[in-house]
Amino acid sequence: GDQVEQSPSALSLHEGTGSALRCNFTTTMRAVQWFRKNSRGSLINLFYLASGTKENGRLKSAFDSKERYSTLHIRDAQLEDSGTYFCAAWNSNNRIFFGDGTQLVVKP
Amino acid sequence: GPKVLQIPSHQIIDMGQMVTLNCDPVSNHLYFYWYKQILGQQMEFLVNFYNGKVMEKSKLFKDQFSVERPDGSYFTLKIQPTALEDSAVYFCASSLDDTQYFGPGTRLLVL
Repeated sequence: GDQVEQSPSALSLHEGTGSALRCNFTTTMRAVQWFRKNSRGSLINLFYLASGTKENGRLKSAFDSKERYSTLHIRDAQLEDSGTYFCAAWNSNNRIFFGDGTQLVVKP
Repeated sequence: GPKVLQIPSHQIIDMGQMVTLNCDPVSNHLYFYWYKQILGQQMEFLVNFYNGKVMEKSKLFKDQFSVERPDGSYFTLKIQPTALEDSAVYFCASSLDDTQYFGPGTRLLVL
C-alpha cells in the first residue's frame, strides 16, 4: 500500500546465511507487526512491536517510529524459512496498513 | 482497489449474549479469514474459510465461535455466548489467490 513500502519483494538466500527485510512508512506509525503466511494462506504472527527490538530464535525485529521503519532480520536461514513475509503497521487512528510482502526462498 | 467492508464498525454487548460480526468480502474472492486484535496487542489469526468449510482454525477460535457464508452473502463470525475476553477488534480478510484484503475491523466491547 501507499503508506507502507516493503522491500525486497523477493529474496533468495543460501542455507546458513542471513538478511533483512524492511518496511518504510510514509507517516508515523504507533505499532508494527510482522507475519508469515502459512501453507493455508493464513497470516501468522511473528512479532508485534510498539518500539525497540524483539528476538525469537533466528528472527529479530526492530521498530523505529520516529525514523519510520521496521526491520525483520533472519540469521542462519533454514529451508523451512521459505515463504512470504508481511509487515503491517497501525497509525494513530488505529488504521492498519500492510506491506506488499516479501517472498523468501532459501536454497540448499 | 478492492474493498472489504465490515458491519458494524462498533458493537457493545452484554456478556452472555450472542453477537454476529458481518464481513462483506470482495465479490469474486474465495478465501475468507477472521483475525482478532486485543487493544494494544498483536493481531492473531482465528480462522480460514473456503468452499463453505473451515480450513484451519487457531486455538483462539473457541467452541463458542462459528463462521458461515450462507448463499454467498456476508461472511459472518458468531460468538455465542460472549465472554469479557472476547472484547477486541475483529478483522475480516478475503482473497482470491495470494493477496489478502483486509476490512477496517469491528470493535467489539463485551460488558
